[in-house]
Amino acid sequence: SQTIHQWPATLVQPVGSPLSLECTVEGTSNPNLYWYRQAAGRGLQLLFYSVGIGQISSEVPQNLSASRPQDRQFILSSKKLLLSDSGFYLCAWSLLRQGLGSPLHFGNGTRLTVT
Amino acid sequence: TQLLEQSPQFLSIQEGENLTVYCNSSSVFSSLQWYRQEPGEGPVLLVTVVTGGEVKKLKRLTFQFGDARKDSSLHITAAQPGDTGLYLCAGTNAGGTSYGKLTFGQGTILTVHP
Repeated sequence: SQTIHQWPATLVQPVGSPLSLECTVEGTSNPNLYWYRQAAGRGLQLLFYSVGIGQISSEVPQNLSASRPQDRQFILSSKKLLLSDSGFYLCAWSLLRQGLGSPLHFGNGTRLTVT
Repeated sequence: TQLLEQSPQFLSIQEGENLTVYCNSSSVFSSLQWYRQEPGEGPVLLVTVVTGGEVKKLKRLTFQFGDARKDSSLHITAAQPGDTGLYLCAGTNAGGTSYGKLTFGQGTILTVHP
């Protein structure tokens, strides 16, 4: 069966410090991978998605970047964190079935607090 | 940009009551999904609807996709405290290459009191 691991679960970082959040998927090949941010237990905002190794698409301009060094590894980074980067970050995977609404499978998220 | 509006944003009811959550848009979606999320966890898929007018049932939960595929509803019968959580609707853009990207509604926070 497929599993998704996301870490760390919580993180407190000072303003200006770097960030690296990691997500790995097991049990499937060539998944689509996504990073979402969720504010205050509300809707999800798509930050980045990837359809293959080294292929990253950014949905919104921001202080963050993403990389996919391996097929089932997705990393969210920042060189210098801002207070506004605080939030709940969720990694997700899906298998592309165009037009049919591939379900997303989410990790348990990382609660990031920038102080 | 396609938007999904969920209502109500908050719902606080007593155990045993019925409730309906709505998800509306002016855009057409090729499919629509409903997720449930508990605090500190990621959302978990409840159902996917793909056909206009489609109705799906999951125990006490009934999901409906509008005929024009612009709206959806979630109805819970005889709510229980275990139904408490954040309910999210999410749609896949109709036409073009979506790469599985979903547009999420803002969510409905449901609290069921014993």
